[in-house]
Amino acid sequence: AQTVTQSQPEMSVQEAETVTLSCTYDTSENNYYLFWYKQPPSRQMILVIRQEAYKQQNATENRFSVNFQKAAKSFSLKISDSQLGDTAMYFCAFSYGNKLVFGAGTILRVKS
Amino acid sequence: GAGVSQSPSNKVTEKGKDVELRCDPISGHTALYWYRQSLGQGLEFLIYFQGNSAPDKSGLPSDRFSAERTGGSVSTLTIQRTQQEDSAVYLCASGRSGIQYEQYFGPGTRLTVT
Repeated sequence: AQTVTQSQPEMSVQEAETVTLSCTYDTSENNYYLFWYKQPPSRQMILVIRQEAYKQQNATENRFSVNFQKAAKSFSLKISDSQLGDTAMYFCAFSYGNKLVFGAGTILRVKS
Repeated sequence: GAGVSQSPSNKVTEKGKDVELRCDPISGHTALYWYRQSLGQGLEFLIYFQGNSAPDKSGLPSDRFSAERTGGSVSTLTIQRTQQEDSAVYLCASGRSGIQYEQYFGPGTRLTVT
């Protein structure tokens, strides 16, 4: 079965601190893409970061970085210097055929 | 440029009625996706359109659900004989050809079946 597990339903972090969101997945595929999407209260999903499974180097995008462990099927997201605007639901996903398989999401609240 | 737009933003309908949800993708995007997001859940894939190819309908939950994409642009998702379990946010996304590319999402349509 193709599944994504986000074990942290909710998390909080103080502004300017660092937080890590967990994601594990299960797939029978060897080549795929992994994504973190952000959904703020406006409901508009926005791509945060993307990783190709065939690349060992972890992707980074400004304050966002991932820790990709292919053998463990783990894809965590680290947010450094958290900002109030980072408050949102974060979804982990991987590609399977023509579609993305999403986890249930983690609500992140950044506190001032 | 304009992003993905969806209409209506909210729809309340009575059980048993048919509904149509519309998606206007970003101009030039050949790929179009529909997802369903139930309360407290992740996104569930429904259907994928790519250019003039036959759509991938593997995610449609029942034959009450159908979708079309006219002229490679606007898409309509139709739900016939709505049920209460159809209540959800329906999200549309468009992008370049290929699952590896970013999908640009619309704001969604919140459907409530009473």
